[in-house]
Amino acid sequence: GQNIDQPTEMTATEGAIVQINCTYQTSGFNGLFWYQQHAGEAPTFLSYNVLDGLEEKGRFSSFLSRSKGYSYLLLKELQMKDSASYLCAVSDSNYQLIWGAGTKLIIKP
Amino acid sequence: IAGITQAPTSQILAAGRRMTLRCTQDMRHNAMYWYRQDLGLGLRLIHYSNTAGTTGKGEVPDGYSVSRANTDDFPLTLASAVPSQTSVYFCASSDSMGGGTDEQFFGPGTRLTVL
Repeated sequence: GQNIDQPTEMTATEGAIVQINCTYQTSGFNGLFWYQQHAGEAPTFLSYNVLDGLEEKGRFSSFLSRSKGYSYLLLKELQMKDSASYLCAVSDSNYQLIWGAGTKLIIKP
Repeated sequence: IAGITQAPTSQILAAGRRMTLRCTQDMRHNAMYWYRQDLGLGLRLIHYSNTAGTTGKGEVPDGYSVSRANTDDFPLTLASAVPSQTSVYFCASSDSMGGGTDEQFFGPGTRLTVL
């Protein structure tokens, strides 16, 4: 079967750095996405990785290792507004997105 | 309209009733999707459409039907609602399905409760 695993919840301090991990097992791979979802709102796109390595976009970076079936999202200089759920999703062989359950990130002052 | 809209925002429905959730996008995207989101589970794809006139089944299609008569609209119908269909439903669209980043844009969601 297809499976995406990520921690259920993480807590971090404002101004700090946090890394959210995602491991996957899917039928085929056409890229990995990270989305942010604030409570009661729709998911919004953060990043896309299809090749191994690190993609940096401002305070957010995303890393992919296809051989290990592993990705992480790195958030730097955490702000209170970063409190949200972070969703990992993999595009499978049919280009359908398989979603993880999401990691709820709690930021404390 | 800006982006993707859904209606209604929320609905309480008696079991056995028929219900259509509406979704409209103004980005001229070819691909559209319907997901349901349940607590503790990831988004699950119900149905999708690669382009107007075509539809396909996702991971959890049973009890749902869709149509894609034009580029902009992608309604989701529950023929006879059951309590297990209580969920938050998100419609999404992307420029295409596959072949690139194909970021999906999401509507605000419809919270459906079936009693």
